[in-house]
This record gives sequence, C-alpha cells and structure tokens, in this order.
Amino acid sequence: SQTIHQWPATLVQPVGSPLSLECTVEGTSNPNLYWYRQAAGRGLQLLFYSVGIGQISSEVPQNLSASRPQDRQFILSSKKLLLSDSGFYLCAWGDTDTQYFGPGTRLTVL
Amino acid sequence: AQKITQTQPGMFVQEKEAVTLDCTYDTSDQSYGLFWYKQPSSGEMIFLIYQGSYDEQNATEGRYSLNFQKARKSANLVISASQLGDSAMYFCAISHLVQGGSEKLVFGKGTKLTVNP
Repeated sequence: SQTIHQWPATLVQPVGSPLSLECTVEGTSNPNLYWYRQAAGRGLQLLFYSVGIGQISSEVPQNLSASRPQDRQFILSSKKLLLSDSGFYLCAWGDTDTQYFGPGTRLTVL
Repeated sequence: AQKITQTQPGMFVQEKEAVTLDCTYDTSDQSYGLFWYKQPSSGEMIFLIYQGSYDEQNATEGRYSLNFQKARKSANLVISASQLGDSAMYFCAISHLVQGGSEKLVFGKGTKLTVNP
C-alpha cells in the first residue's frame, strides 16, 4: 500500500531564514505530487504540483519554490521566510481519481 | 474558475443521528470530480468519498454518502449514525484538470462538525 511521509512535523523559524520541507511517497511509481498550504481556519490552497522528475508547476507566485529531485521526493523551499509563510503545509500524491495527503508540517515564522 | 461554497461554519449533531453537510460548487468544466475530506484536530486530511461528474449513482463509503445533484450543483455529504470520532473539520473539494494531465483540487472553507454524546 502507498504511504506518504513529511518532515519535520513542526517547525519554528525566524523571519529571513531559509526553509526546506521534504515529502516522500512509498508504494507507487511516477505519482503526481502536490504541495498545499492551509492558513489558520481556512481551506487548502495549491502551491505547486509535479507530474514527473524535474517538472514543477507553480499555482501562486510567492516566496516559495519546489523541486522534485527523485521520482518519489518532493521538496518545498524558501531562501528567506516571511511572516506570511506561516501555516500548515500538506504534501499529497494523486492517482487517477483521488489525492492522498501526508501528515503535514506546521510552520510558524516569528 | 472553480469554486466551492460551504455555508455551514459549524454543525452539531447528537451521537447516533445522521447529519448532512452542505456543499455547492461552480465550474465550467464538463468533467470533474467532487471530494470530501475529514480533518481531525491532528491536522491530517483524510479522504472520505469521491463522486465523478458523470456518475449517475450517488457514491457511498460505509457511513458516508454523497448526495450529488448535478443540476443544482450540489454535493452534500451525509454521515449516518454519527460517532464521537466524527467530530472534525470537513472539506468539500472539486477537481480541475491542469497542465500535464494532472488535476488540482479547489477546496471550500470547511464545516466544523461536533458530535455530542
């Protein structure tokens, strides 16, 4: 069966510091991968998606970037965090009909 | 653009009773999917049920059923025999095809369900 991992689970970072969040998927090959962000009390907003290694599409222009160095690895990065980057970051993988989410990373920027 | 509207910020239900969570959508796509996810306080998003726009029968998964009314653009979630563990946020979402054959999900703002003993 497929499983999706994210780390770290929680992160507190100062403004202006870099960020790297990692997502890995097991049990499937060449999955579509997604990064979503959930602001406090809100629904999810798609940030990036990837249909293959090195292929990244951005939905919202912002302070973040994504990379997919391996088939089942998806990384979310920032060179300098802003206060507005705080939120709950969820990685997901998709099959033909459904997207399945990881446990998420709660990021607080101070 | 795709849009999901969940008009109930909070809902309360007694244990063992049924509850309906409302969801209306707007899309110009001919083909799309409708989803419901559960988010407990731990934060994880748990997939509950899926309905394709061309599916004529309402989807069911255990105690969850999706009341799909295409002409009214509604996709309400019905939870039967509520349990205390059903207390959580519930999100409705619609899929939209994007470049490369991938699909993105557009989410509503959610409904907080509280099940009372």
